[in-house]
Amino acid sequence: SQTIHQWPATLVQPVGSPLSLECTVEGTSNPNLYWYRQAAGRGLQLLFYSVGIGQISSEVPQNLSASRPQDRQFILSSKKLLLSDSGFYLCAWSGFGLAGGPVVTDTQYFGPGTRLTVL
Amino acid sequence: QKEVEQNSGPLSVPEGAIASLNCTYSDRGSQSFFWYRQYSGKSPELIMFIYSNGDKEDGRFTAQLNKASQYVSLLIRDSQPSDSATYLCAVNRGETSGSRLTFGEGTQLTVNP
Repeated sequence: SQTIHQWPATLVQPVGSPLSLECTVEGTSNPNLYWYRQAAGRGLQLLFYSVGIGQISSEVPQNLSASRPQDRQFILSSKKLLLSDSGFYLCAWSGFGLAGGPVVTDTQYFGPGTRLTVL
Repeated sequence: QKEVEQNSGPLSVPEGAIASLNCTYSDRGSQSFFWYRQYSGKSPELIMFIYSNGDKEDGRFTAQLNKASQYVSLLIRDSQPSDSATYLCAVNRGETSGSRLTFGEGTQLTVNP
């Protein structure tokens, strides 16, 4: 079966500090990977998506960046955090499952999320 | 006009009743539609997907799609307090790259015992 991990689960950072959030997926190969942000009481905002190693598309201009150094690893970074970067960050994947398990190919499956507070 | 619109709620129903959640979308070329449930402080989990016009049933959940009206709904029969959550509607606009979904802002459902 497929599993998606995110860490850390919670993070409190001062304004101007750097950020690195990591997401890894197990049980699939060559997944599409996504980073979303959810502000309190709001919907999901797509930040980045990737269809392969080194291939990153940005959906909105911001002081965040994303990288995909390995097939099943997706990293969200910032050099200097802003107060407005606070939120719930979600990683998701879509694609094909390895060796069994029902996976709908264009369905996105979410990780547990990272709650970021910038003070 | 938002690409995907949902009534924000809150929607409150008594236990055992039918909860009806609605969603409209603006892109007529949209091809697949998803309902996610999100408990407070947790990540979204998939409930159902639907691709074709009509109804699709899975246990207590029924998704209904009407592409002509650009409308998708989720019915929850025999609502339970454990169904209390925010329900997110998501639409795949059919782009060939990346399976990008556009989400509504969600409808908060409360099921009262």
